[in-house]
Amino acid sequence: GEDVEQSLFLSVREGDSSVINCTYTDSSSTYLYWYKQEPGAGLQLLTYIFSNMDMKQDQRLTVLLNKKDKHLSLRIADTQTGDSAIYFCAETAGRRALTFGSGTRLQVQP
Amino acid sequence: NAGVTQTPKFQVLKTGQSMTLQCAQDMNHEYMSWYRQDPGMGLRLIHYSVGAGITDQGEVPNGYNVSRSTTEDFPLRLLSAAPSQTSVYFCASSYGPSGGAEQFFGPGTRLTVL
Repeated sequence: GEDVEQSLFLSVREGDSSVINCTYTDSSSTYLYWYKQEPGAGLQLLTYIFSNMDMKQDQRLTVLLNKKDKHLSLRIADTQTGDSAIYFCAETAGRRALTFGSGTRLQVQP
Repeated sequence: NAGVTQTPKFQVLKTGQSMTLQCAQDMNHEYMSWYRQDPGMGLRLIHYSVGAGITDQGEVPNGYNVSRSTTEDFPLRLLSAAPSQTSVYFCASSYGPSGGAEQFFGPGTRLTVL
């Protein structure tokens, strides 16, 4: 079946850039997503990218997609303490059901 | 719009009890789904529905039932609760049928089975 892998933990200093990586196995994935989850809260969609794109930028967020290597990354510029959260990568091949990674915990140190 | 609402927020059950987790959305979304989130893991799909009267199983359907009699509501029933069902449950909805639609998530129900 489909699989989505993420590293578990990332620690950065405030003001630095953060890069969270994700790999997926489903070659028919059409949409790839990044969600943010703060403690005790639901999931907040940050951004998504269509598989025929290789980059999408939205303010401090940059998503890069390498479809050949099935690798997705999320770069957060000028990381703030409010960015501390768990970040989930997810994909769908148009089935309207998402396959999620296990999440990357981002810790931002002042 | 209230978005996706879930009740209750917290629930404690004893092994063998049954209960229904409620989910409602007021965005006229065709697609609704239930996920569970276990510690250190991502969300796993339990059941989903592509419209009123149509439901299907996801990755981890055992021990759960769903029905979709209206567009707005998609309740999840635990038939006989087990400690392995201790988890946080999220309901989601999205536009259909085009892909890429944003899934709107409810705030979650934290369930503990003793």
